[in-house]
Amino acid sequence: GQNIDQPTEMTATEGAIVQINCTYQTSGFNGLFWYQQHAGEAPTFLSYNVLDGLEEKGRFSSFLSRSKGYSYLLLKELQMKDSASYLCAVLDSNYQLIWGAGTKLIIKP
Amino acid sequence: NAGVTQTPKFRILKIGQSMTLQCTQDMNHNYMYWYRQDPGMGLKLIYYSVGAGITDKGEVPNGYNVSRSTTEDFPLRLELAAPSQTSVYFCASSYETLYEQYFGPGTRLTVT
Repeated sequence: GQNIDQPTEMTATEGAIVQINCTYQTSGFNGLFWYQQHAGEAPTFLSYNVLDGLEEKGRFSSFLSRSKGYSYLLLKELQMKDSASYLCAVLDSNYQLIWGAGTKLIIKP
Repeated sequence: NAGVTQTPKFRILKIGQSMTLQCTQDMNHNYMYWYRQDPGMGLKLIYYSVGAGITDKGEVPNGYNVSRSTTEDFPLRLELAAPSQTSVYFCASSYETLYEQYFGPGTRLTVT
């Protein structure tokens, strides 16, 4: 079966750095997406990785290791508005997105 | 440019009733998707479409139907609503599968 694992919840302090991990076992791999979802709202796109390595976009970076079936999202200089759920999703061999359950990130002042 | 719009935002249905969730996008995307999101669970794909006149089942299609008569519209039909269909429904669109998906605001459906 296909499986994506993320921690259910994480807590971090405003101004700090947090790393949200995602491991996956899927039938094929055509890329990995990270989305942000604030409570009661729709997911919004953060990043897409298809090759190994680190992609940096402002305060957010995403890393991929295809051989390990592993990705992480790194958030720097945390702000209160970063309190949200972070969804990891893998595009499988049928080009369908398989979604993790999401990691709820709580930011404390 | 409104992006992806969905109606209604909220709905309460009685068991056995039917309804249509509307979804429209103005980005000229070929790909459109319907997901459901249950608490503590990942998004589950119900149906998707790769273009007008073409639809296909996703992971959880039972109890739902779709049509795609135009590029812009992708309605989701619930027949004979059941409590198990209580969920938040999101419509999304993308230029192509390797591109980001844009989501509508969601429809919160309760079946009692």
